[in-house]
Amino acid sequence: DQQVKQNSPSLSVQEGRISILNCDYTNSMFDYFLWYKKYPAEGPTFLISISSIKDKNEDGRFTVFLNKSAKHLSLHIVPSQPGDSAVYFCAAEVNQAGTALIFGKGTTLSVSS
Amino acid sequence: NAGVTQTPKFRILKIGQSMTLQCTQDMNHNYMYWYRQDPGMGLKLIYYSVGAGITDKGEVPNGYNVSRSTTEDFPLRLELAAPSQTSVYFCASSYEKGGYNEQFFGPGTRLTVL
Repeated sequence: DQQVKQNSPSLSVQEGRISILNCDYTNSMFDYFLWYKKYPAEGPTFLISISSIKDKNEDGRFTVFLNKSAKHLSLHIVPSQPGDSAVYFCAAEVNQAGTALIFGKGTTLSVSS
Repeated sequence: NAGVTQTPKFRILKIGQSMTLQCTQDMNHNYMYWYRQDPGMGLKLIYYSVGAGITDKGEVPNGYNVSRSTTEDFPLRLELAAPSQTSVYFCASSYEKGGYNEQFFGPGTRLTVL
C-alpha cells in the first residue's frame, strides 16, 4: 500500500513555462514533506520541504503547496529551465529521530528549450 | 567535504555470491540509511542506523545485513545474492534541521545479479 503517490510518471514543459508536479499521500501522521531531485547516475538531492502545519513554502523558483484536507501537495517551478530536467521525488516523514523517508515513485520532468 | 561516498559504483554478481557495499560520510551525521531503487519505483528503506552500534530494519531488510561500528561508516552486506536484489543502492546520512531530517545521498551502487 503506497503511502506517497506520484501518479504522473512524466511531464513535459517548455522553457520559461510553469512546471507543476503533484503528490498525494494517505498517512495523516506525516509531519514533513520533502521534494528531492535526481539526475541520472547521481543520488537524489534535497530541493525543498514543507511542514504539515504550513500550506506554502517558497524558495526562489520553487514553491511547494500543501492541501492537508485533500492530502495533496504540489511543487511549482517557475520559470522552468532545461537544467530542471530530472526525476522529482516526493517524500514524507514522521518527525522522529532518524526517521527514514517514504518516497513516491517519482515524476520525470523534461524541459525543452 | 566529500559528503556521502559509496563503493563500488557498479558490480555484477552471480547467484549465491556475497558482497559488501561500502558507505562513508564525513559530515559527522548520526543517522545513516540504506535504500534500494528498482526501475520505475521510489526508494525503499532497507536498514537504518541512529548512531554507532545501533541499527534497525526498514521496509525491505530480507537478504541484507548491516553494521555501524563508527559514525562514518555504514556497510551493507549481501550474503547470498539473488536476482531479486538487482537494483540501485543508495546510502544516505542526515541530521535534524528545523524539525525534519534532510538526507544527503551518495551516488549509488548499481548491482546486477545473474
